[in-house]
Amino acid sequence: GQNIDQPTEMTATEGAIVQINCTYQTSGFNGLFWYQQHAGEAPTFLSYNVLDGLEEKGRFSSFLSRSKGYSYLLLKELQMKDSASYLCAVRGPGGYQKVTFGTGTKLQVIP
Amino acid sequence: EAQVTQNPRYLITVTGKKLTVTCSQNMNHEYMSWYRQDPGLGLRQIYYSMNVEVTDKGDVPEGYKVSRKEKRNFPLILESPSPNQTSLYFCASSFGGEQPQHFGDGTRLSIL
Repeated sequence: GQNIDQPTEMTATEGAIVQINCTYQTSGFNGLFWYQQHAGEAPTFLSYNVLDGLEEKGRFSSFLSRSKGYSYLLLKELQMKDSASYLCAVRGPGGYQKVTFGTGTKLQVIP
Repeated sequence: EAQVTQNPRYLITVTGKKLTVTCSQNMNHEYMSWYRQDPGLGLRQIYYSMNVEVTDKGDVPEGYKVSRKEKRNFPLILESPSPNQTSLYFCASSFGGEQPQHFGDGTRLSIL
């Protein structure tokens, strides 16, 4: 089975940097996604990691260590609009579209 | 506009009355999924489909049925809804397993 852990809530200051961690224990691994979900809205894609290392995309970066079962999402130059839930999701095992989500981290950005 | 469309967006109904939530995508995606989202439990996959006539169970399939007769449509069927199926439901689609999923706007179901 899959077990994915994320902190439930985090608070950070506008303009700062925040790191949201995700640890996973799986019987198979085919990649890890990060999604952003604003309250009352659908999740939207942020990043995908399948190999170890850092993927950078503007203010957002995502890191993966497969040997440690660990990923993080790094948000730089925080803006108020970054207040949202951040969902870590692991793909596999099984069919290509078998995806397991963590419970999400609710980030509050304060002035 | 590329999108995933779910209907209805909101529904209040009673125990045992069969209902269908429709999902349609216009991006020619092969992969489609249904999720439910509950407070404290996150998004949980109900069923997924890798192509027409190919479906498989996710983590919480009990009480649900799906079908994939056409590539663009993936309806979710609750044959005999019960109160524990009260939830926010999302349909999603993607080109492939490694591709990002595009989510519909969600359907809020209340089963009384």
